[in-house]
Amino acid sequence: ETGVTQSPTHLIKTRGQQVTLRCSSQSGHNTVSWYQQALGQGPQFIFQYYREEENGRGNFPPRFSGLQFPNYSSELNVNALELDDSALYLCASSLGWAGPFDGYTFGSGTRLTVV
Amino acid sequence: QKEVEQDPGPLSVPEGAIVSLNCTYSNSAFQYFMWYRQYSRKGPELLMYTYSSGNKEDGRFTAQVDKSSKYISLFIRDSQPSDSATYLCAMIMMNRDDKIIFGKGTRLHILP
Repeated sequence: ETGVTQSPTHLIKTRGQQVTLRCSSQSGHNTVSWYQQALGQGPQFIFQYYREEENGRGNFPPRFSGLQFPNYSSELNVNALELDDSALYLCASSLGWAGPFDGYTFGSGTRLTVV
Repeated sequence: QKEVEQDPGPLSVPEGAIVSLNCTYSNSAFQYFMWYRQYSRKGPELLMYTYSSGNKEDGRFTAQVDKSSKYISLFIRDSQPSDSATYLCAMIMMNRDDKIIFGKGTRLHILP
């Protein structure tokens, strides 16, 4: 069973609204990465947090923002939701950033539907 | 041209067959090559990763990288119905803030 937990599992929002997704990293992990996976596509990197600081960002607009807390859990916030934001949002945790290899663990994701 | 190309399938093969999954890529700066398996309603799980050109074997799985052709493959021997999933190839350059680049994924069905 994965050590990364995401909440909620499913969410339906209206276009223009704001949403917050949550991720509890695996025990001992201090790095969290967020991905967006649209239907029929591979995951796309949104950003990564290491010890509460943003440590890299993909090609996503500023309305996608994040936070990492002292306990290394994390939030992904999306403002002004658009229909194209409908996707599975995945977080992955690791100890430091030594590559997406041993110990790099994905959660099961949050399925966001924007109507 | 996308950085990573992967045929989305679906690919259906009978149980026991050898499965071949493939990806091509355009950026020669990629250093590590990974294969992930993703079951429905689950996150991806890492199957294997390789660094250099050549083959790497783990049980029924073999990963193959040909950097000169920018082509990677995953072979599954003695395929089982439990292997039915989406298989994602992925690559990374391992710079400070670099990100994993995933293919679209290939949906695989193993028919009992």
